[in-house]
Amino acid sequence: AQSVTQPDIHITVSEGASLELRCNYSYGATPYLFWYVQSPGQGLQLLLKYFSGDTLVQGIKGFEAEFKRSQSSFNLRKPSVHWSDAAEYFCAVGSRPMDTGRRALTFGSGTRLQVQP
Amino acid sequence: DAGVTQSPTHLIKTRGQQVTLRCSPKSGHDTVSWYQQALGQGPQFIFQYYEEEERQRGNFPDRFSGHQFPNYSSELNVNALLLGDSALYLCASTRPLGGSTYEQYFGPGTRLTVT
Repeated sequence: AQSVTQPDIHITVSEGASLELRCNYSYGATPYLFWYVQSPGQGLQLLLKYFSGDTLVQGIKGFEAEFKRSQSSFNLRKPSVHWSDAAEYFCAVGSRPMDTGRRALTFGSGTRLQVQP
Repeated sequence: DAGVTQSPTHLIKTRGQQVTLRCSPKSGHDTVSWYQQALGQGPQFIFQYYEEEERQRGNFPDRFSGHQFPNYSSELNVNALLLGDSALYLCASTRPLGGSTYEQYFGPGTRLTVT
């Protein structure tokens, strides 16, 4: 069965510092990987996704992620964090459905990001 | 263009009662998925509907059931509520097949509290 591990429950960084959030997945085939962000009391917003091709993917709000098959990782990065980035971040892997496109997502338990002024 | 909408925003129920949550997908989307997010956890997949049928199901008991209407909107029903059913229930929609990529758009969720 597929699974996602986010080893860091809580991370605090200073505004302007760089950020890396870790994500490891377990999946028997080529994974479909996602990063979502959730602000308090809100739904989930997609930051970026990886399906195939270039292993470095760019997303919204200045985020990027790198897929490393050898390490089963899909870490999220941002070169300079803004106070508005404080939120919960979830990594997810899409299952292989009966037909393409309609994938159920398996989420990690999330990493809460705090940004210090 | 309205995104995914869910109703109600919050509700409080008593153990043993039944509840119905509603979701309207993003315009042009035909697939609806439901997720349960307990406090401090990531969302867990409950089930997915398209063409008015349940197509995939996660590891949830039969107390959780759903429906999809011809206009693609969906309902999630939970019977015999337990305290452990307290959670944020998220609905996500996906556009029809045919493109090279897709993504799930999430609604703001319904916060269910079972007392």
